[in-house]
Amino acid sequence: DTEVTQTPKHLVMGMTNKKSLKCEQHMGHRAMYWYKQKAKKPPELMFVYSYEKLSINESVPSRFSPECPNSSLLNLHLHALQPEDSALYLCASSPSESIGNEQFFGPGTRLTVL
Amino acid sequence: QKEVEQDPGPLSVPEGAIVSLNCTYSNSAFQYFMWYRQYSRKGPELLMYTYSSGNKEDGRFTAQVDKSSKYISLFIRDSQPSDSATYLCAAGRAGNMLTFGGGTRLMVKP
Repeated sequence: DTEVTQTPKHLVMGMTNKKSLKCEQHMGHRAMYWYKQKAKKPPELMFVYSYEKLSINESVPSRFSPECPNSSLLNLHLHALQPEDSALYLCASSPSESIGNEQFFGPGTRLTVL
Repeated sequence: QKEVEQDPGPLSVPEGAIVSLNCTYSNSAFQYFMWYRQYSRKGPELLMYTYSSGNKEDGRFTAQVDKSSKYISLFIRDSQPSDSATYLCAAGRAGNMLTFGGGTRLMVKP
């Protein structure tokens, strides 16, 4: 199984809502990532978990809160988002604790903030 | 200067053509290099992974890395309309994050 799955595929939320994005992989990878991608731009790294510990936080606003319940699951909790947070949110995983190895991406969650 | 530079295109070619996609990078510490293909509104799909200099071939795709000139290439033979997508190069080193190029949009016309 070489797949990273993400739910939901699409999400529309108001600025006062609280929602969560979910990511799952069953490849035994020990590093997982959240990226944000705006149209016609490359992915921008938001968070990295290595061995279920947050190792890098790229100074992302606190309205984004990551959670790694176990080595296969990664959540991104959203609260009080702004319209400019509308983007494709991508989850990725990589095999080893050597952060930066080949990364496998999920299909993304397309988020629209009204 | 961005660490990984990529011409945004669009690059338009006829079906069957050989496509050459290129990136340059500035950080000589980069050790491994990847090419991703991304269809519109989908996640990036890993196409090729190369460690250090050299060539790697997989079907119609060949990845080439020249560390002396800091140049990364992806060649697509017998291009198909289904190859139309944005191609992202990425470079990295152990213990550090991937650095992506801006992506090149490719259009293969029937």
